[in-house]
Amino acid sequence: EVQLLESGGGLVQPGGSLRLSCAASGFTFSSNAMSWVRQAPGKGLEWVSGIRDSGGSTYYADSVKGRFTISRDNSKNTLDLQMNSLGVEDTAVYYCAKGTCSSGSCPWDVWGQGTTVTVSS
Amino acid sequence: AIRLTQSPSSFPASTGDRLNITCRASQGISSYLAWYQQKPGEAPKLLIYAASTLQSGVPPRFSGSGSGTDFTLTISCLQSDDFATYYCQQYYSYPYTFGQGTKLEIK
Repeated sequence: EVQLLESGGGLVQPGGSLRLSCAASGFTFSSNAMSWVRQAPGKGLEWVSGIRDSGGSTYYADSVKGRFTISRDNSKNTLDLQMNSLGVEDTAVYYCAKGTCSSGSCPWDVWGQGTTVTVSS
Repeated sequence: AIRLTQSPSSFPASTGDRLNITCRASQGISSYLAWYQQKPGEAPKLLIYAASTLQSGVPPRFSGSGSGTDFTLTISCLQSDDFATYYCQQYYSYPYTFGQGTKLEIK
């Protein structure tokens, strides 16, 4: 069964850092682009960051550029999101999502259950 | 960034209804458009990709059409399980963007 399992969410103070992880199983992880998508409480979906199969190319939303870093370890089948300088506007459920192709120009057919990040003092 | 505008934002409907949700892109995106369904407390689910291709396992009452800037998701005969929020999403260019969502409510 194809599965994505996020971890690392929690409560953090403004200005703090957090590292999210996504463990993938049931598919050839190194063959697929991956993304992080978030959803603030009561709001819509927002794409945050993406990375192609090899990890050689990364992409970010303007709202997180310079603060967040996406990475992957194809030997461990894991996807990470390092989040620095967090603000209250980063409070959201963060989803890990599997692209249907290697490059990233494709939709996401498998999603994790999400991990909640709360930024508050 | 490419802006996607969905309409309506919410819609009261009844089982058996036929429903169209539209999504308009601020610039041409060819057919690089997907539709997702999301229920409260759950992750989104891919319904349609490449504007009109039905994802495996999705009931055929769902269909998509359009290209360029104007797209439509059609649900031909609403079932109780279809009451959810629907999002369009473009993967034509980064940053990828979503529409604001259309919430289907029980009339």
